[in-house]
Amino acid sequence: AQTVTQSQPEMSVQEAETVTLSCTYDTSESDYYLFWYKQPPSRQMILVIRQEAYKQQNATENRFSVNFQKAAKSFSLKISDSQLGDAAMYFCAYRSRGDDKIIFGKGTRLHILP
Amino acid sequence: DVKVTQSSRYLVKRTGEKVFLECVQDMDHENMFWYRQDPGLGLRLIYFSYDVKMKEKGDIPEGYSVSREKKERFSLILESASTNQTSMYLCASSLLAEEYYGYTFGSGTRLTVV
Repeated sequence: AQTVTQSQPEMSVQEAETVTLSCTYDTSESDYYLFWYKQPPSRQMILVIRQEAYKQQNATENRFSVNFQKAAKSFSLKISDSQLGDAAMYFCAYRSRGDDKIIFGKGTRLHILP
Repeated sequence: DVKVTQSSRYLVKRTGEKVFLECVQDMDHENMFWYRQDPGLGLRLIYFSYDVKMKEKGDIPEGYSVSREKKERFSLILESASTNQTSMYLCASSLLAEEYYGYTFGSGTRLTVV
């Protein structure tokens, strides 16, 4: 069975600094999607970034980028120029192309220090 | 924008009550999902549905049932609420397409069973 592991339950970063959230996953599939979701205090889960496994190029969305290492089964999220609004719970997630459902990690709570 | 609406943001119910959590999406998505979210455990899949009147058990279906009579509506039913079902419940939907963009989530229902 596929699993997603986020080894950092909580992290803190100074405003305007860069922070990296770690994620590893376990799968025997070769074709899949990876996601980072953000859940702010409002509770609304928002898709931050998405990566297709067959694309070697790392996805980027403005200040958010990923480091996708397929062989190592690693998918870290880098947030540059951290802002107070980035404070949230971040979930790493996986979906096999042939499956209907997404598997989530346990989350990393990110604090932004002013 | 796709919207997924959960009927209640907060709910307090008594032990033994039958509880209905409603979820409606407005963009003709085929798949709908119910997760519960607990601190330190992340998101765990309760049930999902890929079509009207179709349902599949997730990882923790015990004590729950679901109903999908119309494509846009997916209901989670707690047959006899218990205190260990106190949790945050998240509904999500997704589109079946060649390019997959993940879930759209509702804003959650925080259920307290007393």
